[in-house]
Amino acid sequence: NAGVMQNPRHLVRRRGQEARLRCSPMKGHSHVYWYRQLPEEGLKFMVYLQKENIIDESGMPKERFSAEFPKEGPSILRIQQVVRGDSAAYFCASSPGLAGAYEQYFGPGTRLTVT
Amino acid sequence: AQSVSQHNHHVILSEAASLELGCNYSYGGTVNLFWYVQYPGQHLQLLLKYFSGDPLVKGIKGFEAEFIKSKFSFNLRKPSVQWSDTAEYFCAVNEANDYKLSFGAGTTVTVRA
Repeated sequence: NAGVMQNPRHLVRRRGQEARLRCSPMKGHSHVYWYRQLPEEGLKFMVYLQKENIIDESGMPKERFSAEFPKEGPSILRIQQVVRGDSAAYFCASSPGLAGAYEQYFGPGTRLTVT
Repeated sequence: AQSVSQHNHHVILSEAASLELGCNYSYGGTVNLFWYVQYPGQHLQLLLKYFSGDPLVKGIKGFEAEFIKSKFSFNLRKPSVQWSDTAEYFCAVNEANDYKLSFGAGTTVTVRA
């Protein structure tokens, strides 16, 4: 019974490159959430998606960041033209229904380092 | 927006000692409360949760937490820790029927054998 899968686990990018982070939710889960953890801080909500829909991206930086959850395949968090301040751990979570009523199950995270 | 405070950044204990980690949140309405644990190299796992009912919640691995509404607190406890409890512990809160979790900064617990 696979949990939430994220890859890669570690990603190193030079400034100006693109970073693509992938998240496969638990089987049967159609709600995906992305969180970011900056050093010495708690996880912060970024975006909530359902299949083919962005429901809430209020926590996403206005530029360079985008997310999708296509009909087939994993959810992708894309960061264009990365900067050092993007270095963080990015966590994906999924739930079987709307997370106000259900707990969220987290993946292991992707640690992004921008050099 | 919610804010969640965890009182200790790093706690060091010996095996068999008791553990209590503090968590306070800022929202005055109805909330759901969670404690997550992240063992080294692993994903965040849910230790326990409170949605409603008995404010004393039992979780996995011998952990429990008490919701005290008047104090806006949800402290985590374990009477006797083991070396395997070495991990990072996160308190999280969401407003009832809201999906956005707000997390504390985490407490690193190191248990010495």
